[in-house]
Amino acid sequence: GEQVEQLPSILRVQEGSSASINCSYEDSASNYFPWYKQEPGENPKLIIDIRSNMERKQIQELIVLLDKKAKRFSLHITDTQPGDSAMYFCAASEEGNYKYVFGAGTRLKVIA
Amino acid sequence: NAGVIQTPRHKVTGKGQEATLWCEPISGHSAVFWYRQTIVQGLEFLTYFRNQAPIDDSGMPKERFSAQMPNQSHSTLKIQSTQPQDSAVYLCASRQGWGNTGQLYFGEGSKLTVL
Repeated sequence: GEQVEQLPSILRVQEGSSASINCSYEDSASNYFPWYKQEPGENPKLIIDIRSNMERKQIQELIVLLDKKAKRFSLHITDTQPGDSAMYFCAASEEGNYKYVFGAGTRLKVIA
Repeated sequence: NAGVIQTPRHKVTGKGQEATLWCEPISGHSAVFWYRQTIVQGLEFLTYFRNQAPIDDSGMPKERFSAQMPNQSHSTLKIQSTQPQDSAVYLCASRQGWGNTGQLYFGEGSKLTVL
C-alpha cells in the first residue's frame, strides 16, 4: 500500500522567514494531496490541498508544490507568524480508495 | 453542526482489559474513518466505512481490534485485552460524498492510556 514519508520531523524558524516541509509518496496512482494543521490540544484541520492535475497552488501565505515525476510534494509557509506554530501532516490518496495515508508529521515552531 | 463527536475523551484501562470508543460522524457524511495518533507514528490509518459498510480495515491489528458501524450515526472501535502499546489518541473522522478527495473532519479524539 501507499506510504508517505515526511521531513523534517521538527522545524524551527524565525518569525517572518519561510518554512518548508517535504513529503514523498510511493504509489503513482495517488492523485490527491492534502495538508492538515494540528494546533496543540486541537484536532487536525485541512489547510490546503492539491490534485495531480496541478503543479502549484497558493492560498494566502501557503504554497503547495507537486512534482508527480519525482513523487514529491511540499508545503511552503511564507512570512511565518507565531500562530503558524503547530503540527503539520501531509497525506496522499489514490482514486478509487477513500483512505488518506498520512506522513508522520512535522512540528513547526516559529520563534519570535 | 456539532462536528464529529467522540466519547470518551479520556479512558484509562489496566492491561488486559477491554476498551470501547464511540464516534458520531457528521450527519450526511457517507465515509467514516478511524486513525490512531502517536508521537512516533503520527496518524496511522486503522479502518474506514462507506455508507456503514466496512471497506478497508488493513490498518487494524487483527487479533484484538474490531470496528463496527451499526447505523449511519454511530461507529465503535473495540480493543480487547489492551496492551500498553495501545496507548494513543484514537481519532474518528468523517467526510461527505464519494471519491477520494475532500476534507476529513476529525473529532477531538479519545485518549486511551493502558497501565
